[in-house]
Amino acid sequence: DTGVSQDPRHKITKRGQNVTFRCDPISEHNRLYWYRQTLGQGPEFLTYFQNEAQLEKSRLLSDRFSAERPKGSFSTLEIQRTEQGDSAMYLCASSLAGPQNQPQHFGDGTRLSIL
Amino acid sequence: AQKVTQAQTEISVVEKEDVTLDCVYETRDTTYYLFWYKQPPSGELVFLIRRNSFDEQNEISGRYSWNFQKSTSSFNFTITASQVVDSAVYFCALSEAGDDKIIFGKGTRLHILP
Repeated sequence: DTGVSQDPRHKITKRGQNVTFRCDPISEHNRLYWYRQTLGQGPEFLTYFQNEAQLEKSRLLSDRFSAERPKGSFSTLEIQRTEQGDSAMYLCASSLAGPQNQPQHFGDGTRLSIL
Repeated sequence: AQKVTQAQTEISVVEKEDVTLDCVYETRDTTYYLFWYKQPPSGELVFLIRRNSFDEQNEISGRYSWNFQKSTSSFNFTITASQVVDSAVYFCALSEAGDDKIIFGKGTRLHILP
C-alpha cells in the first residue's frame, strides 16, 4: 500500500515563472486536499476535491493558483507568475469520503523556493 | 470561527521524562473532530489520532495518551518515557462535521535530549 506521492520534492524558480506540482493520492481515496505550510506555521487549507469535483477553495487561493483533478485520480496545483510570498511547502493529502471526517494522510510535500 | 491554539512553541525534555503537549480549540459546532499529527524532521505529516466530540474517553496507545476535556475545550497529548525518536513538531488540529478541511494549530516543537 503506497502512501501519498508528491512530485517534485523541491522546486526552485525565479519570480514570475509558472510552476506545477503533482500529487498522487492513496489509490482507494476519493478525496484529495492541498495545503500550504510556511516556516514555523501549521498547514493551511487551500482546496479539496472529491473525485474530480473541486468542492471548496480557500480565500488563500488567489487567481494565480489553480488546481485540477481531471480523472479523479492524481491532481495538479499550478501557480502562475510566482511571487516571493509563494515560497512554502505545498502538502497534498488524501482520505476516504465519509460521514465522520476521515483522517487525512499526507505526502512528503513539495518545497517551493522563489528566487 | 474555528481556531486551534498550541501555546507551547518549543519544549525540551531529557529522554525518559514524560511530557504533555497542550491544545485548546474553539468551535461553535457541537459535532467536530480533533486530530494530532507528528511532523518529524523529514517533513511528512504523520497521523496519530482522531477523536469525535461525543467521545470524551481518554485514549492510550503505547507510550502515547490523549486527554479530551470538552469543559475546557482541550485535547492534550502526553508522551510517557520519551525517546529521542519522539523529537518532532506536533500539530493539534480541528475539523467540523460536514467540513472536511482541517484547521491546524501552529505546532509544538519537541526536543528529546539524550
